[in-house]
Amino acid sequence: DTAVSQTPKYLVTQMGNDKSIKCEQNLGHDTMYWYKQDSKKFLKIMFSYNNKELIINETVPNRFSPKSPDKAHLNLHINSLELGDSAVYFCASSQGDRAANEKLFFGSGTQLSVL
Amino acid sequence: DQQVKQNSPSLSVQEGRISILNCDYTNSMFDYFLWYKKYPAEGPTFLISISSIKDKNEDGRFTVFLNKSAKHLSLHIVPSQPGDSAVYFCAASAGGTSYGKLTFGQGTILTVHP
Repeated sequence: DTAVSQTPKYLVTQMGNDKSIKCEQNLGHDTMYWYKQDSKKFLKIMFSYNNKELIINETVPNRFSPKSPDKAHLNLHINSLELGDSAVYFCASSQGDRAANEKLFFGSGTQLSVL
Repeated sequence: DQQVKQNSPSLSVQEGRISILNCDYTNSMFDYFLWYKKYPAEGPTFLISISSIKDKNEDGRFTVFLNKSAKHLSLHIVPSQPGDSAVYFCAASAGGTSYGKLTFGQGTILTVHP
């Protein structure tokens, strides 16, 4: 059983399209995240949700909108895709006190290619 | 402005020898540090962590050392095994209300040769 699963694994689309990436965790965690790995391989946080409430919102364009229907799911919708959005997007979850919350459980990533 | 840097893109080591991966940071507010390991086509997985109140933390073959004055940490793997071949990411956190907000380095590719 995959702890943090995200779909699709690969997403190839044209500039200007709208797309969604889904994420689900079966660990019972309260906090979920979206991280982006850019072309230079740095992983950077985009959003975090705790019990469906937005906690962290980094300087991400408005075209990116996270949606958390319940604490086990955190989806990422991207409007009007641009070439620069091409990256690997990782969903993650965590639970507990400070030390535990830094131990993120990551999904396997969604490689987004915008043509 | 990269606050966490791993200056060695890659490291090659013989099986059974020690692997030392290095990480430097610039933000004095960081007080918790972690190492994650990543295999191809998988997400990063947590390996080991250290709080700024310590200078060493050990877990089996993995030891993390923290030098706060130098703003430097290192991961030692002894003995190295071929299965350790992966990308290793250093990460740091400033705590407060931003639990789980990690700043990552760009990773070091470790190759352990049999």
